[in-house]
Amino acid sequence: DAKTTQPPSMDCAEGRAANLPCNHSTISGNEYVYWYRQIHSQGPQYIIHGLKNNETNEMASLIITEDRKSSTLILPHATLRDTAVYYCIVRVVNDMRFGAGTRLTVKP
Amino acid sequence: GAGVSQTPSNKVTEKGKYVELRCDPISGHTALYWYRQSLGQGPEFLIYFQGTGAADDSGLPNDRFFAVRPEGSVSTLKIQRTERGDSAVYLCASSKQSGAGETQYFGPGTRLLVL
Repeated sequence: DAKTTQPPSMDCAEGRAANLPCNHSTISGNEYVYWYRQIHSQGPQYIIHGLKNNETNEMASLIITEDRKSSTLILPHATLRDTAVYYCIVRVVNDMRFGAGTRLTVKP
Repeated sequence: GAGVSQTPSNKVTEKGKYVELRCDPISGHTALYWYRQSLGQGPEFLIYFQGTGAADDSGLPNDRFFAVRPEGSVSTLKIQRTERGDSAVYLCASSKQSGAGETQYFGPGTRLLVL
């Protein structure tokens, strides 16, 4: 699977949009981009995934660049409960390879 | 509906002992995965089942680790002769089918502490 690069930490003001970047410059055509988050002491929670097109669900939006070398997860109105570690994963095989993720802190 | 459940939630054992960790996947999910997460790191893949068979066990660290899924539903991760380095959170995930486009849903994990 392609390697991903994420900033180690980010802050966001409550109520504002949180934009979390992910670089995956070696992604291949059949690799999916997945986003999970992990709140302290809980299992990873699925957020969203996509292959080529942008995706939106009730939790977030996923914007994938046309060349697929990077993506952005957008939480439109961050709340304090969105404070977590966010993992960007590119995946072609059945298992997932997690990196260190981005620790997002939402501040009041 | 019910999510992935794991028991026990916490397990404390002594070095050298044998432990079993249980995972109940989401009903109807045919694929089941085990991961291990050490403090401050992302989850690390251990083994993946499609139905009853282990389709990929390349992540198991050594032969002290073994997992079964005899009826294609519940799975048990077994660790023999535990070592202090085995202390971690053991996570289980399941998906409807195997494949990169199938979302994996995780359980809450079992925290294993080897003294």
